[in-house]
Amino acid sequence: EDQVTQSPEALRLQEGESSSLNCSYTVSGLRGLFWYRQDPGKGPEFLFTLYSAGEEKEKERLKATLTKKESFLHITAPKPEDSATYLCAVNYGGATNKLIFGTGTLLAVQP
Amino acid sequence: DGGITQSPKYLFRKEGQNVTLSCEQNLNHDAMYWYRQDPGQGLRLIYYSQIVNDFQKGDIAEGYSVSREKKESFPLTVTSAQKNPTAFYLCASSTQGQVGTFGSGTRLTVV
Repeated sequence: EDQVTQSPEALRLQEGESSSLNCSYTVSGLRGLFWYRQDPGKGPEFLFTLYSAGEEKEKERLKATLTKKESFLHITAPKPEDSATYLCAVNYGGATNKLIFGTGTLLAVQP
Repeated sequence: DGGITQSPKYLFRKEGQNVTLSCEQNLNHDAMYWYRQDPGQGLRLIYYSQIVNDFQKGDIAEGYSVSREKKESFPLTVTSAQKNPTAFYLCASSTQGQVGTFGSGTRLTVV
């Protein structure tokens, strides 16, 4: 069964304390893995797309990496404004741009 | 600025009542999607449309209906057949091979 699993469900960090979020997937024909940030009561905001194992993308304090079975979102020296839910999704092939989403990781960064 | 507009932001439905959620985009995207988000679950696809006058069921289409008469608009009707409609509804759009842009969501509550 095609599945996307994110861990941990919730993560609390001190400001400046670096960590990583995990997204593992079991899909055939991966056409892309996507990371989004979602603030409470708002729609997801696109962060990164990764297409092949070994690929890395960076944006400010965030860095996303991809292997054949999982992706990591590394957060370096986080700030309180990085607090949000981070969603992972995979495009699992076929003729459409449909996505399977994980349940997300709720990140809280304390000052 | 281009984007996706969802309205209303909050919607209350009485038992047995049909309600329609609006989604409008000015991004000139061909594809549009409706997702449902519940606490502790990943976003789940309700319906999607790749072209005007055509749409397909997603994973949880029962109790919902859509139309796509214009490229810019993809309204979702939550019918009385949907037994558990309370949720956060997200509309998204995309072009082929590109990441979807999300609206800010509509929170539907049954009263």
